[in-house]
Amino acid sequence: AQSVAQPEDQVNVAEGNPLTVKCTYSVSGNPYLFWYVQYPNRGLQFLLKYITGDNLVKGSYGFEAEFNKSQTSFHLKKPSALVSDSALYFCAVRERGSGNTGKLIFGQGTTLQVKP
Amino acid sequence: DVKVTQSSRYLVKRTGEKVFLECVQDMDHENMFWYRQDPGLGLRLIYFSYDVKMKEKGDIPEGYSVSREKKERFSLILESASTNQTSMYLCASSPLLGTSSGANVLTFGAGSRLTVL
Repeated sequence: AQSVAQPEDQVNVAEGNPLTVKCTYSVSGNPYLFWYVQYPNRGLQFLLKYITGDNLVKGSYGFEAEFNKSQTSFHLKKPSALVSDSALYFCAVRERGSGNTGKLIFGQGTTLQVKP
Repeated sequence: DVKVTQSSRYLVKRTGEKVFLECVQDMDHENMFWYRQDPGLGLRLIYFSYDVKMKEKGDIPEGYSVSREKKERFSLILESASTNQTSMYLCASSPLLGTSSGANVLTFGAGSRLTVL
C-alpha cells in the first residue's frame, strides 16, 4: 500500500538553529513528493516538491528538502529556524495510478515549535 | 492571486441535520478535492472530482456525498450529520496533470470547522 509517515508528532528547536522535519514514504516507482505547511486557523500552503532531477529541492521561506531514494525519505530542512516557522507541516506523495487528478496521500503531520 | 474559498469557517449543527459545505475556486482548475483533517490522522480524502458532474470516492466517503454542477464549485454534503463527523474540512483544487508546471500542486481553502452536537 502507498503511504507516507512522519515519525515525529512534534519537533522543538531554538530560534537560529537548524531544523529537520522527517518524512518517509512507501510507493512503487518514482515518487512525486511534497511538503505543505499549515499555520493556525489556515488552510495548507505549498512549500516545495520533488518530481525529478536534483535530490535537494529548494522551496518557499528558505526551506529545502532532500530526496533520498535508498532510504525512501524526503526530510524538510532549514539552516536557521525562525519563531514564525512554528506551524504544522505535512509531507505528501502523489498517489501512483491517480491518472490526471494527481491525488495526494498525506502524512499525519508534524508540529514544529521554534522557541526564542 | 489564486484562490479557493470555503463559504463557512465555523459551523455548529445538530445530529441528523443535513449539512452543506461549499467550495469555490477562481483558477479554472479541473480537479477539486474534499479532505478531512483530524489530529494525529493527517488529511484523509473524502471525495474528488476531475470534471463537472464527475466524482470519485476517496478513502473515507461513507456518510458524505458531493456535487459539482459547475466547474468552479464543489460541494460536500452530509446527509445526516453525526458526532463523529465533527472535524476540519479542507477543500483543494489543482489543474489537470500535464496542463501546466503547477499541475501537481494543490491549492487549499482556509478550511471549515464543523461541530456536530
